[in-house]
Amino acid sequence: EVQLVESGGGLVQPGGSLRLSCAASGFSFSTYWMTWVRQAPGKGLEWVANIHRDGGDKFYMDSVKGRFTISRDAAKNSVYLEMNSLRVEDTAVYYCARVSLAVTRPNYSMDVWGQGTMVTVSS
Amino acid sequence: QSALTQPASVSGFPGQSITISCTGTSSDVGGYNLVSWYQHHPGKAPKLLISEVTKRPSGVSDRFSGSKSGNTASLTVSGLQAEDEADYYCCSYAGVSTIVFGGGTKVTVL
Repeated sequence: EVQLVESGGGLVQPGGSLRLSCAASGFSFSTYWMTWVRQAPGKGLEWVANIHRDGGDKFYMDSVKGRFTISRDAAKNSVYLEMNSLRVEDTAVYYCARVSLAVTRPNYSMDVWGQGTMVTVSS
Repeated sequence: QSALTQPASVSGFPGQSITISCTGTSSDVGGYNLVSWYQHHPGKAPKLLISEVTKRPSGVSDRFSGSKSGNTASLTVSGLQAEDEADYYCCSYAGVSTIVFGGGTKVTVL
């Protein structure tokens, strides 16, 4: 079964750090780009970051550049989101998702999603 | 990285068709045939309905269809059913391997 399982969410104070993990199974992990998407309470989905299938290229939304780092470990079939200098406005459910392929290239749609992990930034 | 524009809500009676619009710019929706649509029931994982403007993944009902004209993409849900009540999001490639979502549309089945 193709599956993504996130972990690592929790309550953190403003200015703090948190590392989210996403374990993939049931597919060839190294073939796919991966992405993180978040949803703040009562708000819509918001793309956060993408990582190339080999981990070499990484892309971020403007408001997290310099604070968040996406990475992946092929040996562990996992993708991570290191979040530093957290702000109240980073409070959200964070979803890990697989970027679908158009033959061999990413088509920037997300065809497999995890259930999400909640991050709450509050004093 | 401005969000794509969707109507906040759309409603219809069972059996009817509804259309959700998604307006962007020439830098995202209008510039690439890489628009996707998602159905999201609260508390669950989003589900991919349409990719690359018109392509329906295996297992997705053919009641869902996508199209695009200029900077506006659309999702049509035909034969509306009670289980279609959910939030719907459009999404587009926005260049330099970045992605932008729409604000979301709440669909109500009357």
